[in-house]
Amino acid sequence: NAGVTQTPKFRVLKTGQSMTLLCAQDMNHEYMYWYRQDPGMGLRLIHYSVGEGTTAKGEVPDGYNVSRLKKQNFLLGLESAAPSQTSVYFCASSYHPREQYFGPGTRLTVT
Amino acid sequence: AQSVTQLGSHVSVSEGALVLLRCNYSSSVPPYLFWYVQYPNQGLQLLLKYTSAATLVKGINGFEAEFKKSETSFHLTKPSAHMSDAAEYFCAVSGTGNDMRFGAGTRLTVKP
Repeated sequence: NAGVTQTPKFRVLKTGQSMTLLCAQDMNHEYMYWYRQDPGMGLRLIHYSVGEGTTAKGEVPDGYNVSRLKKQNFLLGLESAAPSQTSVYFCASSYHPREQYFGPGTRLTVT
Repeated sequence: AQSVTQLGSHVSVSEGALVLLRCNYSSSVPPYLFWYVQYPNQGLQLLLKYTSAATLVKGINGFEAEFKKSETSFHLTKPSAHMSDAAEYFCAVSGTGNDMRFGAGTRLTVKP
């Protein structure tokens, strides 16, 4: 099993550009999550999904959109990137809300 | 709502010394508590979790944590530090909802 995978691993965007981060899991998990990690702030939840076709806002949802069209995939979109969105993005999945498995992360820089 | 406070953003110990990383939580419902470890340029890996069974929880790599309700704490310990323990450690809390709240993290340095 690959577990949780994220693509791309690195990306540099210019302000105003858009992009989509892809998260895939092969563990048949219902729950999937997108976090951002910034120095000194731990991980903050952006959006999450409790099943195929569902999404919900987390702690810091502004400027991001998500979709869960297939159970194994969870996409995070930035419609108009801003320098404040420079961060490391982690995807996670879980069978239930209590124990999450994390991907390796995507390092995004917005110039 | 839940929250977690990790005391000390950096902790430095000598190889072979006790490791103590502090975590205090706030939760309006009985919490589920977790410790995760993050090695450089990697994702988070679960070390251990408390789910209302035993108050002393043993995890991987010789780590353990004790849930103390009266102190609202869930400190992480290891009797003898190893160089390979150098990493960033995150405490997290989950309640009855679908999300988990993480602390700011503690970076552990192990000196030879």
